[in-house]
Amino acid sequence: AQKITQTQPGMFVQEKEAVTLDCTYDTSDPSYGLFWYKQPSSGEMIFLIYQGSYDQQNATEGRYSLNFQKARKSANLVISASQLGDSAMYFCAMREGQKAAGNKLTFGGGTRVLVKP
Amino acid sequence: GAGVSQSPSNKVTEKGKDVELRCDPISGHTALYWYRQSLGQGLEFLIYFQGNSAPDKSGLPSDRFSAERTGGSVSTLTIQRTQQEDSAVYLCASSSGGKGTEAFFGQGTRLTVV
Repeated sequence: AQKITQTQPGMFVQEKEAVTLDCTYDTSDPSYGLFWYKQPSSGEMIFLIYQGSYDQQNATEGRYSLNFQKARKSANLVISASQLGDSAMYFCAMREGQKAAGNKLTFGGGTRVLVKP
Repeated sequence: GAGVSQSPSNKVTEKGKDVELRCDPISGHTALYWYRQSLGQGLEFLIYFQGNSAPDKSGLPSDRFSAERTGGSVSTLTIQRTQQEDSAVYLCASSSGGKGTEAFFGQGTRLTVV
């Protein structure tokens, strides 16, 4: 079974508008972390934002916010005021477990975003 | 260096040859990951090292793939008897441990098997 599901293979967004990228996850572990990465055409992986399963508030980092709905096992990324430079692939990832040291990161299939001027 | 370094950046090899891909993680990072990314696709987990623990090899696609990490630092991913379907970008990442810490990625090695 897929651990991380991103149902939107690609989407267009108008410059300056907000866009929501969907991510659902599957785990029975009560302790986990959720991550979003951006991969522009250059290929580098850029960390955007992190949400812990026990965090009481939704994470925010500048124009990025994470809409964390724990009961629905959903961790959607919201990008506000889209810019042309936001055009990229976006990946949702999860790390499970309570070990002091990290466990492996499992990635979703990604969503390609194209910002239109 | 300041970031995760991978070498070579590009590798073209003939079908049937063996290749070695190298990853230098960020100094002090205890966790190291290898992923494979085919063109336009997501990241496929290959193998994960954490400190002195036995590596998680659950993602290795066949016994032609192996990896080691010497001295808890540098890692080498070896693909024996390469096949055309092995062509992909191989990404290495490291993290300092703890479930809240992000992984930092290298630029990847683009492997082309001809």
